[in-house]
Amino acid sequence: EPEVTQTPSHQVTQMGQEVILRCVPISNHLYFYWYRQILGQKVEFLVSFYNNEISEKSEIFDDQFSVERPDGSNFTLKIRSTKLEDSAMYFCASRAGERQETQYFGPGTRLLVL
Amino acid sequence: GNSVTQMEGPVTLSEEAFLTINCTYTATGYPSLFWYVQYPGEGLQLLLKATKADDKGSNKGFEATYRKETTSFHLEKGSVQVSDSAVYFCARITFNDYKLSFGAGTTVTVRA
Repeated sequence: EPEVTQTPSHQVTQMGQEVILRCVPISNHLYFYWYRQILGQKVEFLVSFYNNEISEKSEIFDDQFSVERPDGSNFTLKIRSTKLEDSAMYFCASRAGERQETQYFGPGTRLLVL
Repeated sequence: GNSVTQMEGPVTLSEEAFLTINCTYTATGYPSLFWYVQYPGEGLQLLLKATKADDKGSNKGFEATYRKETTSFHLEKGSVQVSDSAVYFCARITFNDYKLSFGAGTTVTVRA
């Protein structure tokens, strides 16, 4: 069964460093998402992406964040200069098409900023 | 606004007990509703969903019915197992934005 994959599973970085979280959505899906879950808190929407551009972003997704689909398979989230409060589990999700509302999630990347 | 409120945990049960996790939503329009489950150390998995009023989603012995009149989507299972220990998230999506809004999550622990 096709699934969303994410790498790395864990990443530790120093405050101020750049990190890139990688996702491979389900093949032939068209809509892509990033969410995050700070430890012990709810899962929060960050950004949605379709047709090579951002569809919507939350107030969390400030200028330090960017997303990219550099090729036909990868979908990346970049944090330009990490802060302590960026420590969280980051989930990628994909959705097949306009009328398919179910989002399929990857296993997540646990980011720890020291 | 558009939000999801679910029962606070943690919930601890004995095996074969009945489980209910309450979930209510607010939304403009008629959202699709979901339950996602997060097993220890894993990501989010879709457990079940319902897309319109009176729909019942079911999977792995879990059920939830979309109740428009009470704006609720409570999750139930008649006889839980130790393997059901996980965090359960209620979520909604609306067709004008397609992003998921999650409840706070309910941690369920089932003891043998």
